Amino acid sequence: QVQLQQSGPGLVKPSQTLSLTCAISGDSVSRNSGSWNWIRQSPSRGFEWLARTYYSSRWSNSYTSSLRGRLTINADTSKNQFSLQLNTVTPEDTAVYYCARMTTTTNGAFDIWGQGTTVTVSS
Amino acid sequence: EIVMTQSPLSLPVTPGEPASISCRSSQSLLHSDGKNYLGWYLQKPGQSPQLLIYLGSNRASGVPDRFSGSGSGTDFTLKISRVEAEDVGVYYCMQGIDTPQVTFGGGTRVEIK
Repeated sequence: QVQLQQSGPGLVKPSQTLSLTCAISGDSVSRNSGSWNWIRQSPSRGFEWLARTYYSSRWSNSYTSSLRGRLTINADTSKNQFSLQLNTVTPEDTAVYYCARMTTTTNGAFDIWGQGTTVTVSS
Repeated sequence: EIVMTQSPLSLPVTPGEPASISCRSSQSLLHSDGKNYLGWYLQKPGQSPQLLIYLGSNRASGVPDRFSGSGSGTDFTLKISRVEAEDVGVYYCMQGIDTPQVTFGGGTRVEIK
């Protein structure tokens, strides 16, 4: 079955860059339908969609406007994974970060989620 | 941004009894393709969310048939026909009509009485 395995640091210092990776098993990051997403959850803001990447004859990326300029999402086909970078972090970026898949079958819904990475921004 | 509002915030339930959660959106989730882009998730304590219902009323793979989704436009309901102890957690609705800018409701905590 499809699984998403997240990796990345749990503690990041203010002003530094947060980097997270989501390794895919049982599916392909370059599948022709659907997308690969990053979402975060915090007590103050609830769930917040951050970014997505998908392949449809070429790679396409989208970002939440509230963090535009600070986010970068990339797919690595050689390792079958995708990653998220969030730069210039502040304590407000403290949250649980999830990667998730959306397909054309469960259109508009995330059917597979990673295990979550708790990220704390603190010096 | 489409705002999703859930009620109630908390729902104490008795095992074997039915339960119902409401979700309302600030804009219609009915697409021109005739589908409602509304999903329901359950987040059990310490776990990632798991998809229960997609497109308003379709059960996701492996989801027991005691879970059902209904509604259209801006008003939706998740029903559990007979609550079991393993159903405790926080339930969320999420709109997908504005993909990728999806938004979630604030959650409904289901607990056993």
